[in-house]
Amino acid sequence: QSVLTQPPSVSAAPGQKVTISCSGSNSNIGKNYVSWYQQVPGTAPKLLIYDNDKRPSGIPDRFSASKSGTSATLGITGLQTGDEADYYCGTLDTSLNVGVFGGGTKVTVL
Amino acid sequence: EVQLVESGGGLLQPGRSLKLSCTASGFTFDDFAMHWVRQAPGKGLEWVSGINWNSGLTAYAGSVKGRFTISRDNAKNSLYLQMNNLRPEDMAFYYCAKDLDRSWYRVVLDNWGQGTLVTVSS
Repeated sequence: QSVLTQPPSVSAAPGQKVTISCSGSNSNIGKNYVSWYQQVPGTAPKLLIYDNDKRPSGIPDRFSASKSGTSATLGITGLQTGDEADYYCGTLDTSLNVGVFGGGTKVTVL
Repeated sequence: EVQLVESGGGLLQPGRSLKLSCTASGFTFDDFAMHWVRQAPGKGLEWVSGINWNSGLTAYAGSVKGRFTISRDNAKNSLYLQMNNLRPEDMAFYYCAKDLDRSWYRVVLDNWGQGTLVTVSS
């Protein structure tokens, strides 16, 4: 059971938008910045978003994120077949003194 | 270009020990915290351990605390994970990852290796 809760899957047609939620608590998301990672099957994870809403260089602005209270959300607009992957949120849990990830959300492009 | 290359994975029996290594290149290794993250086949990511830039602070997931030890040798641009008393539930791909910051508790993993597989089975 993951400390951060994500929906197992979301789907949409090409060109549409999907959002992925990440729910935590006051000891993790409520106190710390959230990152998001994309993992295409068979490859290593890649950083998509850090510090709640910042994109590393090279990440297109189709990917955006926000945080409010103890929850965070990742949005992907203009969905492409190449966006099919698993997406994970992550942060620090201050009470447990550990890094934590969500269980992952599989994005399917219909 | 940042490169992280893990090695040391393999097949071993429960109760045995194994040491993973991660060799880094393409960045100033001793300026950044490092982490180990694992992923059981078909499962999600699990943070395992983190270490500050100067080894001054380390942290472990509850599932490995007391059995695993993270360390680094900045002179060799290398990160290590000593795993003792391995259990079947430790079977996973183990990824080495670089943090954006000097402190492990930033937990922003901006570069990842390709992973090394550890199989624990009798």
